[in-house]
Amino acid sequence: DSGVTQTPKHLITATGQRVTLRCSPRSGDLSVYWYQQSLDQGLQFLIQYYNGEERAKGNILERFSAQQFPDLHSELNLSSLELGDSALYFCASTPMGGPSYGYTFGSGTRLTVV
Amino acid sequence: DQQVKQNSPSLSVQEGRISILNCDYTNSMFDYFLWYKKYPAEGPTFLISISSIKDKNEDGRFTVFLNKSAKHLSLHIVPSQPGDSAVYFCAAPNAGNNRKLIWGLGTSLAVNP
Repeated sequence: DSGVTQTPKHLITATGQRVTLRCSPRSGDLSVYWYQQSLDQGLQFLIQYYNGEERAKGNILERFSAQQFPDLHSELNLSSLELGDSALYFCASTPMGGPSYGYTFGSGTRLTVV
Repeated sequence: DQQVKQNSPSLSVQEGRISILNCDYTNSMFDYFLWYKKYPAEGPTFLISISSIKDKNEDGRFTVFLNKSAKHLSLHIVPSQPGDSAVYFCAAPNAGNNRKLIWGLGTSLAVNP
């Protein structure tokens, strides 16, 4: 157990639907990062939050959004889902604003869009 | 624009031998590098890191070497064990305020008994 909790572990949904992925960071960590890993891609950075505020945006589609709540858990919302959105979605947390200390990753949510 | 490159998608070695995983980078502003290990269906886990002020960092069977002039780093695993079979990612924090990690595409290591 890395201390970063992601739910659900698996999700199967139909095209056009909307899903919410949840991440609870390691205790004391303020920064949360979301990553997408498709079969033929490495880890693609989506978005970062630090203490409730958006800090950085990566290759995140407009159909996707995220937020970090006062208790520091984060949610990634994916809407109008397409087949190509099928991937592993990872959340990672770090104690401060940057990853020089090393990320701690959750075990991911496997999203399958059918 | 792939600033961190792992040009070997896969590597196969015999148990007990040395595994060498390579990583090249293009951004001379990178000042810190990390290696992560990932098993199937799990999130990546931090393995070892190196600051650009060093050229070597060792932790047990794992050693990372950094050649700044060549913009190249390598991870050595000696001796390799079957449990080391995983995907290994090289990453570097970008130079901006958020220091988000720039990742290589990974190298899948298979250690054969």
